[in-house]
Amino acid sequence: EVQLVESGGGLVQPGGSLTLSCAASGFTFSTSWMTWVRQAPGKGLEWVANIKEDGSQKDYLASVKGRFTISRDNAKNSLFLQMNSLRAEDTAVYYCTTHHKWTFDFWGQGTVVTVSS
Amino acid sequence: QSALTQPPSASGSPGQSVTISCTGTSSDVGAYNHVSWYQQHPGKAPKLMIFEVSKRPSGVPDRFSGSKSDNTASLTVSGLQAEDEADYYCSSYAGINYWLFGGGTKLTVL
Repeated sequence: EVQLVESGGGLVQPGGSLTLSCAASGFTFSTSWMTWVRQAPGKGLEWVANIKEDGSQKDYLASVKGRFTISRDNAKNSLFLQMNSLRAEDTAVYYCTTHHKWTFDFWGQGTVVTVSS
Repeated sequence: QSALTQPPSASGSPGQSVTISCTGTSSDVGAYNHVSWYQQHPGKAPKLMIFEVSKRPSGVPDRFSGSKSDNTASLTVSGLQAEDEADYYCSSYAGINYWLFGGGTKLTVL
């Protein structure tokens, strides 16, 4: 059974930093593209970033490019999202997802990030 | 790029069929057969229901079907059941390793 467990969310001040983690199990992590998707309170879903199986390709939403960094550790079956220069509009639930056949097939339960002073 | 356009709400009675639309442009929905649909119950994570326009993952009832015409994709739920009441989101590949989601449709089973 595929399991994705996010952690690392919390309350941070504007301009601050936070690193999210996603622990994966139940599938071959090292051969899977991975993605972060977020959902602001009461709003829809928004794709944030992708990373290729070996980490050689990373893609970002325009509004987070230069501030967020997606990375992975295939030896530890883990996905990360380093978030710097956080803004109020980054407040959201952040979901870790697998990415297969141009779709996001399995989702974690999410971790809440709140950017506020 | 702008989000894909979905109606904010849809409804139907048990046993009826309901169709939810997802309108994009010739650069996303119209350009690729990479449209997916997700179901999200309150407080829960989204669940993949349809991928590649019309394919169902294992375990998704065949009451759920997808289609696409030009720049608009559609999700049809037939034989509505109470547990189908949820938010539904479409997504599409938009080129250059970029994905878009729709704003979501709240489906109410009357």
